[in-house]
Formats: sequence, C-alpha cells, structure tokens
Amino acid sequence: AQKVTQAQTEISVVEKEDVTLDCVYETRDTTYYLFWYKQPPSGELVFLIRRNSFDEQNEISGRYSWNFQKSTSSFNFTITASQVVDSAVYFCALSELPYGGSQGNLIFGKGTKLSVKP
Amino acid sequence: KAGVTQTPRYLIKTRGQQVTLSCSPISGHRSVSWYQQTPGQGLQFLFEYFSETQRNKGNFPGRFSGRQFSNSRSEMNVSTLELGDSALYLCASSPQTGSTQYFGPGTRLTVL
Repeated sequence: AQKVTQAQTEISVVEKEDVTLDCVYETRDTTYYLFWYKQPPSGELVFLIRRNSFDEQNEISGRYSWNFQKSTSSFNFTITASQVVDSAVYFCALSELPYGGSQGNLIFGKGTKLSVKP
Repeated sequence: KAGVTQTPRYLIKTRGQQVTLSCSPISGHRSVSWYQQTPGQGLQFLFEYFSETQRNKGNFPGRFSGRQFSNSRSEMNVSTLELGDSALYLCASSPQTGSTQYFGPGTRLTVL
C-alpha cells in the first residue's frame, strides 16, 4: 500500500535558522515520483519539486534543498536561512505510474506546518 | 500562462442541497484531478478526468461526481450535502495522467 508519513506536525523556528522537513514513504512500485508542495495561508498548493525514483541525486534550488534516499524511503526537504515568507504548510506526496493497477494520483502526507518567526 | 482557476472561491450551502464547483485548467493541460482537503482526513483524491473521460476515482460515495468538457474544463458536483462535506476542494491540472499536477486556489465549501 502507498503511504506518506510526515511525522512533524508543526515546526517553529526563528528567521535565518535552517530547518529540515522529514518525509517517509511506502510504495510497492519500483518506479514512482515524489513531490513537495507548499500551501500558504491563501490555500493554493504550490509545486516545489518532483523527483523520480531513479534519480537519487540531491537537488538544490536557492535556499531549498532535497535529500532523496531510497535505502531509507525518505525524501527530506531543507530550507536554509529560513525567512518569514517560508511560513506555510508543506506537503510531501507520492505518485505511482498510472498503469499496472496504480492510478497515478497524488498520495499526500498530513503536512508539516512551518512557522518562521522574525 | 494563466494558472488553474476555480470558481466560486467560497460557498455556503445547507444540508441536503447540491453544489457544483468549476475548474479551468492551465491551457494545454488535458488532465484534471480533484482533491478534498479537511483538517481530519487531510488531502484526499476524488477523481481524475482526461479527455472528457473519468480515468480514476478515489474512495468517495456516489454523491460526488464530476465531468470534463471538450475544452478540458471540469466540474464536480456533490449532491445531498452533508456537514462532513465541508472542506477545501482543490482542482489540479496536468498535461497528461501521471505528470506534475498544478493546483488552483481551491473552493472552500461550508455546509450548514
């Protein structure tokens, strides 16, 4: 069964601190995609990154970085030098390829609410 | 390109009524998916439409239905509303099934 677990419900940091959001997933497939989305108070889910299961290279985009480790089924997200504008709920999601019984829809974790205080 | 748009943004209904929500995907995107977000259950997949056909459906009762038009715009309908249907309904579009989904701002439905 597919499942995404974000164990951290809420995290509070002070501006300029680094913060890592954890994501652990379960899937029976060998080919799948992992995502991170950001949901600010306005409600819209903003796409941040997609990773496929064959690409374990870490990725860095500005202050954001992602660490994908298949051995531990984890896809963690780090924000370096956090800013108040980073305050939001962050969702990790999994999708399997849409064949062989899989639907291809997104399976979300429960989200981690990040509060960055000035 | 314009993003995904959803109308209305807010809706208040009473139990037993029905409601229709609308979603216009990003231009060129043919797949539209709907998700329900509640504090208790989180984000749950409702259904996906591709080329006017329902391709996938989540685990929701038959009161939840949808359709897609030839221009890829989609509507979802909830009949006989229950209090538990109060939620944020998010629409997402993607070029095709299985590719990255881009979300709209959502419709917040309150059932009284």
